[in-house]
Parts: sequence; C-alpha cells; structure tokens
Amino acid sequence: EAGVAQSPRYKIIEKRQSVAFWCNPISGHATLYWYQQILGQGPKLLIQFQNNGVVDDSQLPKDRFSAERLKGVDSTLKIQPAKLEDSAVYLCASSFPGPYTDTQYFGPGTRLTVL
Amino acid sequence: DQQVKQNSPSLSVQEGRISILNCDYTNSMFDYFLWYKKYPAEGPTFLISISSIKDKNEDGRFTVFLNKSAKHLSLHIVPSQPGDSAVYFCAARDTGTASKLTFGTGTRLQVTL
Repeated sequence: EAGVAQSPRYKIIEKRQSVAFWCNPISGHATLYWYQQILGQGPKLLIQFQNNGVVDDSQLPKDRFSAERLKGVDSTLKIQPAKLEDSAVYLCASSFPGPYTDTQYFGPGTRLTVL
Repeated sequence: DQQVKQNSPSLSVQEGRISILNCDYTNSMFDYFLWYKKYPAEGPTFLISISSIKDKNEDGRFTVFLNKSAKHLSLHIVPSQPGDSAVYFCAARDTGTASKLTFGTGTRLQVTL
C-alpha cells in the first residue's frame, strides 16, 4: 500500500515570499490533516479535512495560511507571505475514520526554511 | 497550555534492556492515546495505541500502560534494540474533537550497544 506522498521535501524561501506544499493521501482515506512541527516541539494541527470539507481549522493562521482539498483527494497548503517563524516541517497525514481506528498515517514532511 | 507532556527530552538505554518512555496529560476528555516513532527526515510512524477503557495494550516488544487516575501513560520496549533509536511522540485524542490529536514534545531514545 502506497503511503502519504508530499512534495517538495525541502524548500528555502525569503520572508514575504509565498510557498505551496502538496499532499496525496493514502487511497481511500477520507480524512486529511496538515500539521506544523517546529524544531523541538510536537506536531501541531493546522487544518483537518473530511473529504473536501474543513472539520477544524482553529489553529490555522488564516491571514497568511490557506489550504484546499479539491475533489476530496489531494491537498495543497499555501503560505503567503511567509514569516521567519514559519520555518518548520509541514506534515501531511491521512486516516480512514472510525471509532478507535482512525490512526493517522504521516507523510515524510516538507522542511521549510524562511530566511 | 501543554495538555500532553513528555518531561524527558532524551533517554539512553543499553541494547537488550527495557526502555520506559513516559507521558502525562491534563485533559480528562482524552479517550484514545497513541505512540508514534520518528526517524530523522521521515514522518512519524504509528507504533501502538490504547483506548481509555483499557489499562494495557501489548504488541510484540511494545507495551503501553494507561493509568487514568494519574493521567499517565508509558511505553515499554523490551528488549530494546539499536533500531529503536528514534524520537517517540505521545499523542492523545479528545472525544469531542473529531479525531484531532494533541502531541507531546517527544523523547529521543538512544539504544547503545
């Protein structure tokens, strides 16, 4: 079974530039998550999709971050404009929802460096 | 407000011995707990989980214990192997938040020869 795919793996940009990340979840997984992991911290949920609808985006900085999941499969996360504090690993995860079975499977992440 | 805490940033254990990783939580609404393992440059990998209706779950060398009254869980790895060297994250799910996980800050385990 193919895992969660993410691209690019690494990105270096200057502050105030924009950047986009792509995620392809495991086939059949209806739920998709984007996390931000700052060095030395655990992953923090930014946004959760159920099919192509947003379930939770309470921790997404909406003034600069946006995400979409067209057709309930692939998803993109965009930052515009980027700030220095956005330097982090952005992780995408997916799960097949169900009580006590919705284990999340993570992709390799995109390491973003903002200079 | 850190709802899931892993107070030991690092742990070193000899090969063949037991590794015990600890996790404390504050939110009494958490009903499902997971451990993830993370190697450098990779995403976290699911390891083992436990629901709040149990106090122990075992999978091979890995056992998770849950003490609800103390709001504490632990991961035991027996025997520890060099390939277990990684960062381990504890995560918890709130019953009312549709699968949202809250992660701890992680414990780096090093298994030495």
